Amino acid sequence: GNSVTQMEGPVTLSEEAFLTINCTYTATGYPSLFWYVQYPGEGLQLLLKATKADDKGSNKGFEATYRKETTSFHLEKGSVQVSDSAVYFCALSTQGGSEKLVFGKGTKLTVNP
Amino acid sequence: DTGVSQNPRHKITKRGQNVTFRCDPISEHNRLYWYRQTLGQGPEFLTYFQNEAQLEKSRLLSDRFSAERPKGSFSTLEIQRTEQGDSAMYLCASSNWGSGRMNYEQYFGPGTRLTVT
Repeated sequence: GNSVTQMEGPVTLSEEAFLTINCTYTATGYPSLFWYVQYPGEGLQLLLKATKADDKGSNKGFEATYRKETTSFHLEKGSVQVSDSAVYFCALSTQGGSEKLVFGKGTKLTVNP
Repeated sequence: DTGVSQNPRHKITKRGQNVTFRCDPISEHNRLYWYRQTLGQGPEFLTYFQNEAQLEKSRLLSDRFSAERPKGSFSTLEIQRTEQGDSAMYLCASSNWGSGRMNYEQYFGPGTRLTVT
């Protein structure tokens, strides 16, 4: 079945540090890949997505590249801010049918000033 | 467009009681999904509707759970005879699915947090 494995947290960084959160997946077919973010007290928001191999999703300074050969979709940001503190979820969905999302367990990021 | 709304935001109930949650999707969205999120885990799919038809149910959805979307607009999720293991955040999401298009973004509501005592 489909599954997502992401880096265990929590992750604590200082402001302006470089961020990487690893995500790998197992899927039948060719999934679309997503990063969702959950800020404290708020609902899940889509951060970025990629729909095919070698696509790069980007938003708010975050980037992730769909790597089919390594079945990975690692999230990166060059310089984090305190406001980036949140829980980040990697997810996939397969085209056709329900297109339900399959999520990883989430990685909590805390950025200190 | 006010986004996806869910009510109530919090519910505390005693074991054995029945509870019902409501989700109002974005108005033009034809698909509606329910997920459950327990502490320290990612959301897990429960069920989804396309318009008023419930098209898939997860094995997580025991026979104590029932979901409806009677007019293809809002949806309700009912849990009968609640158990402590039902304590979780219940998330609703909606999307505007269309044949021949890809990547139907799911928009999530704030969730209903259920605590069973």
